[in-house]
Amino acid sequence: QQQVKQSPQSLIVQKGGISIINCAYENTAFDYFPWYQQFPGKGPALLIAIRPDVSEKKEGRFTISFNKSAKQFSLHIMDSQPGDSATYFCAASNSGSGSRLTFGEGTQLTVNP
Amino acid sequence: DGGITQSPKYLFRKEGQNVTLSCEQNLNHDAMYWYRQDPGQGLRLIYYSQIVNDFQKGDIAEGYSVSREKKESFPLTVTSAQKNPTAFYLCASTSGDEQFFGPGTRLTVL
Repeated sequence: QQQVKQSPQSLIVQKGGISIINCAYENTAFDYFPWYQQFPGKGPALLIAIRPDVSEKKEGRFTISFNKSAKQFSLHIMDSQPGDSATYFCAASNSGSGSRLTFGEGTQLTVNP
Repeated sequence: DGGITQSPKYLFRKEGQNVTLSCEQNLNHDAMYWYRQDPGQGLRLIYYSQIVNDFQKGDIAEGYSVSREKKESFPLTVTSAQKNPTAFYLCASTSGDEQFFGPGTRLTVL
């Protein structure tokens, strides 16, 4: 019930294309869904986050789509750039659990020039 | 400069030795966390602390110990009981729901 499943494990996109990463969760008590970006040898950085009261959130080229009934959420990176090449993690938490995050297994994104 | 610092950046340990990883934050966050990351894998929670002098085991606490004597500090000790300690260790702290990570410590057992 605590798992967050992320796919694909790896993704190769051409510069200018759209990168899409999907996550599914089981615990209906989750009410906060962040995405993190991690470069090699660095700590993850919060990219964008969404709560279940909205179905979409956009920040620049990054968009989260949220489907509460399907218990799925996804990250869309528009106009993907080589500098976006990194590992992306989705996560989920229940505010009542003291912000303990459950992470997906990560997606390694490569954007070819 | 506000943020989370971890030291050292690289750490080498001989088998049978205990080592302590430092994590300090000046963000005035109450909650702090330790994660382990293995190559090509996600983050697994080792220990977390929501308040000074209190901490809870995460999913993979065996072979690790922590203390939380000060709000700013949450050191992690990797003991000799941890059979496969080579990994990238990440410390984090939380403001509300937002969790912020330090730069990590890479531990290698020789």
